[in-house]
Parts: sequence; C-alpha cells; structure tokens
Amino acid sequence: ETGVTQTPRHLVMGMTNKKSLKCEQHLGHNAMYWYKQSAKKPLELMFVYNFKEQTENNSVPSRFSPECPNSSHLFLHLHTLQPEDSALYLCASSQVASSSGANVLTFGAGSRLTVL
Amino acid sequence: GQNIDQPTEMTATEGAIVQINCTYQTSGFNGLFWYQQHAGEAPTFLSYNVLDGLEEKGRFSSFLSRSKGYSYLLLKELQMKDSASYLCAGRDSNYQLIWGAGTKLIIKP
Repeated sequence: ETGVTQTPRHLVMGMTNKKSLKCEQHLGHNAMYWYKQSAKKPLELMFVYNFKEQTENNSVPSRFSPECPNSSHLFLHLHTLQPEDSALYLCASSQVASSSGANVLTFGAGSRLTVL
Repeated sequence: GQNIDQPTEMTATEGAIVQINCTYQTSGFNGLFWYQQHAGEAPTFLSYNVLDGLEEKGRFSSFLSRSKGYSYLLLKELQMKDSASYLCAGRDSNYQLIWGAGTKLIIKP
C-alpha cells in the first residue's frame, strides 16, 4: 500500500463505547497529525507527533487520546464521546513538523465518526 | 487573531475559468497553500506560494500578494472532475497552518 491509510472509514459508536482509529503511512515521513473536519468549518488540528514525540495538543478533551508507537503508525483512542464529536477525522503525515519549505501534508481519506 | 477567509461556495460552467479568492491574517507568514478535496476523499496538495506572484501548474495557477494578505487559485478549462472543495491555508511564524473553511466549487455542464 502507498500513501496514508486510515481505518475504519466509518464508525458509529455510543457515548459509552471505547473505540480506536488507526492511521498508517508508507511515505517514510517523520511527522503525523490528527485533524477534525466538521462541515463548513476549518480543519482543526488536534495532535502532532514529530519523530514519535507529541509536539502539539491543541486543547483537545481527554476523551481523545493519541498514541504513536512509531513514525509509521498513529492511533486515536476514543472514550465517552459526545454527539458533537461526530465529524470526519483526518490523519496526515509530512517529512517533519513545523518546518520551512513546502513540507506538504499527505492526508488519508478520513474516518467518518458518528456518536449516538 | 489569525484568520483565513474564502467564499463558501462557487458555481462555474464546464470549459470556463474560475478564480477562488483567499484572504489571510496570520501572525507572521511562511507560505500559502491550496488543497483540493473531493467529497469523501483525502485533501490533496495543489500549490504552495511563499513569494509574490503567479505560480502556474497546468490548468491550475495560484497567486500571492503578501502586502495585501491575498491569494487566489485560478482554474482554467474547467472539467466536471474539478467539482470539489478547495482549501486555503496560511502558515504562520511558528510554521503552524491556519485553515480556511473551504470553497465548494460546483461545475455545471
């Protein structure tokens, strides 16, 4: 596989469930990101990992817990979510985080989360 | 505060030209990006401007004016497959991306 792969593509969960989103990149990048995309709103950066170290946590509620076991894999663990957390969760990767030059983000197709 | 403004939705005709505008206010400036996102798909990189002027890449061109805090994406010879959302993002002095809400472009035959 190439690029950035996210699973599952669709997830429906109740507010008391625990689930995880998975992201894998085959690009040799060193930075990985979680974004939240809601309809008609700008992309919201949630977490950034650079060389497996978390460098950004943009005031994200603790019911979202990231994990980055290595530079190729990123998880988002979900627990006790709220209906307003329903959104598309996008994973992305880049050569490194917070650098000059183009440093283009390569995105996955996203995991569509619905919280009932 | 930091902000990116772009129109919510635009409609254009197949074969025509369309210009999608983006104005930005960032703390410092380290580049302006455009991404394309088809419905249900990943955003994909289109262009990066850091100096003033026009960058041409096939049917797509991107323009930047740093003094005006303004960019546009120009799409020529529109095709039905160009129907998508176009995301503008400015990068601030900390190399953080500030995103616009996206412009949904509808192409009509």
